Amino acid sequence: QVHLQESGPGLLKPSDTLSLTCAVSGGSINDFYWSWIRQPPGKGLEWIGYIYSTGTTSYNPSLQSRVTISVDTSKNRFFLILSSVTGADTAVYYCARRGNGGNDYWGRGTLVTVSS
Amino acid sequence: DIVMTQSPDSLAVSLGERATINCKSSQSVLYSSNNKNYLAWYQQKPGQPPKMLIYWASNRDSGVPDRFSGSGSGTDFTLTISSVQAEDVAVYYCQQYYTTQDTFGQGTKLEIK
Repeated sequence: QVHLQESGPGLLKPSDTLSLTCAVSGGSINDFYWSWIRQPPGKGLEWIGYIYSTGTTSYNPSLQSRVTISVDTSKNRFFLILSSVTGADTAVYYCARRGNGGNDYWGRGTLVTVSS
Repeated sequence: DIVMTQSPDSLAVSLGERATINCKSSQSVLYSSNNKNYLAWYQQKPGQPPKMLIYWASNRDSGVPDRFSGSGSGTDFTLTISSVQAEDVAVYYCQQYYTTQDTFGQGTKLEIK
């Protein structure tokens, strides 16, 4: 059973850089796409982007200028960096495995709050 | 971007009754070379991450009760719960993965009448 666990700071100030890690266990990170998805409080899901295990990425156009997703296959982890955060970036951030048929395994999510 | 639009935004159904949720994509998500619709459905209960229910528009994920079914092709899709149970109270999302940029519908909240 594949397990994903997000980690990172829960509170940021406006203009800070958000940095999250997703640790994958129970399976290899190789040969799959890995996604970041977020959900503002009380709202719907927003796709942030994904990365293939070889490093190929795709990002949401609305966030592309501020987002970087990277992967460390040796540690079975992938990462999210979002720069210049504002209150609009307050959300639960999920990592997920993007299998052939969609996002089949999800982490439990981590709440990131942006507040001065 | 492909825009996914769900309807209704919310619905209330009596226990044991059928629930139907619709999802429309702004362009086709049917890949002609393999005849697959790149469309998934997810269930999200309060305080939990989303859980995949359906992939390729009509394939039930492992362990998903058979009262859940997906149908449709091209741009119009439906998630049906044949006999709603109390544990089905949740928000349901469709998602397309046809393009290199995934998009989700806005969600449909299912309640018990």
